[in-house]
Amino acid sequence: DTGVSQNPRHKITKRGQNVTFRCDPISEHNRLYWYRQTLGQGPEFLTYFQNEAQLEKSRLLSDRFSAERPKGSFSTLEIQRTEQGASAMYLCASSSLSENSYEQYFGPGTRLTVT
Amino acid sequence: DQQVKQNSPSLSVQEGRISILNCDYTNSMFDYFLWYKKYPAEGPTFLISISSIKDKNEDGRFTVFLNKSAKHLSLHIVPSQPGDSAVYFCAATTNDYKLSFGAGTTVTVRA
Repeated sequence: DTGVSQNPRHKITKRGQNVTFRCDPISEHNRLYWYRQTLGQGPEFLTYFQNEAQLEKSRLLSDRFSAERPKGSFSTLEIQRTEQGASAMYLCASSSLSENSYEQYFGPGTRLTVT
Repeated sequence: DQQVKQNSPSLSVQEGRISILNCDYTNSMFDYFLWYKKYPAEGPTFLISISSIKDKNEDGRFTVFLNKSAKHLSLHIVPSQPGDSAVYFCAATTNDYKLSFGAGTTVTVRA
């Protein structure tokens, strides 16, 4: 297992377009998280899944954002009608339901640029 | 509302000396704290953590200290090595598992 993977690594899109990102977590991990990071800031929580159930969504996740985790494996994050404010690094992380489940393991991120 | 704060945006230290990174938090419900290290173009990498029931945790060159009464934690790196040059993030969580991060401290280790 090579860890958490994210695709694409970079995405440039025009304002108003829809974009979708994919995250493949570490295979035995039940929990999957999405964060957003902007320049000079730490990652900010967006949403998380336990298996296929989406358990919490941040108020940062407007109705133009939607996340899914069908079958409890990979996850997708879609942004509809992108705005320039959506330009950021989108990070995915996963963790296991075990004693040290507080520790989350991050992927390399998808950098979104909205022009 | 920034619940985790890293007030030093950067730190420069000579190779072989100690690096001390500081972090303050405001939410008294946080019960687990973590440090992550991030290189450019990579995601954050877990470094070390500490539960709120402890005041110190050590792993090789890295030690984290927690002062709950002051709502303060620190990361000590001894000795500092060139490969330690990176951005370090402090994070905290309650039992809902979502992490709240500080803004990060950029560490530069000088040869």
